[in-house]
Amino acid sequence: EVQVVESGGGLIQPGGSLRLSCEVSGFTFSSHWMHWVRQVPGKGLVWVSRINRDGSATSYADSVEGRFTISRDNAKNTLYLQMNSLRAEDTAVYYCVRGLVGAYGTDVWGQGTAVTVSS
Amino acid sequence: EIVLTQSPGTLSLSPGERATLSCRASQSIDSKFLVWYQQKPGQAPRLLIFGASSRATGIPDRFSGSGSGTDFTLTISRLEPEDFAVYYCQQYSTSRNTFGQGTKLDIK
Repeated sequence: EVQVVESGGGLIQPGGSLRLSCEVSGFTFSSHWMHWVRQVPGKGLVWVSRINRDGSATSYADSVEGRFTISRDNAKNTLYLQMNSLRAEDTAVYYCVRGLVGAYGTDVWGQGTAVTVSS
Repeated sequence: EIVLTQSPGTLSLSPGERATLSCRASQSIDSKFLVWYQQKPGQAPRLLIFGASSRATGIPDRFSGSGSGTDFTLTISRLEPEDFAVYYCQQYSTSRNTFGQGTKLDIK
């Protein structure tokens, strides 16, 4: 069964750091681009970051550029999101998402991990 | 950054009716870069359409996508009760893969 499972969310003070992890199973991780998408409950989807298959190319939304770092370990089938200098507006559920192969889009989403930035 | 504007914000229809949802891009994009998702309350989004018009695996044929350039459309030919949800478009034309703000399809 294809699965992506996020972990690492929680309550963190403004200015703090958190690292999210996403363990995948049931597919060849190294064959897929991977993304992080976030959503404030009741609000819309916001694309955060993406990484290519071997980790050599990354992109970020303007709102997180310079504060967040996406990375992956293909040997461990794990995607990461290092989040530094966290702000209240980073509060959201963070989804780990698998990219399609051979087309643009994403087809497997985790259930998300909640991040709350508050003092 | 490409901005995607979806309209209407909310669409109220009855089962059996036809739904037409719009996604307008702030600059022209190749249709291969445009996708549509459906999200129901408490669930993660589900891919419906990729490449502007190709249905994802398992998506019923009442869902169809069309469009080019800056104007794209998701059409649901005959609404089923399970189709009432929020729909998002997303673009992959640039390195920042922005979403539209969503259209909520609710029961009239």
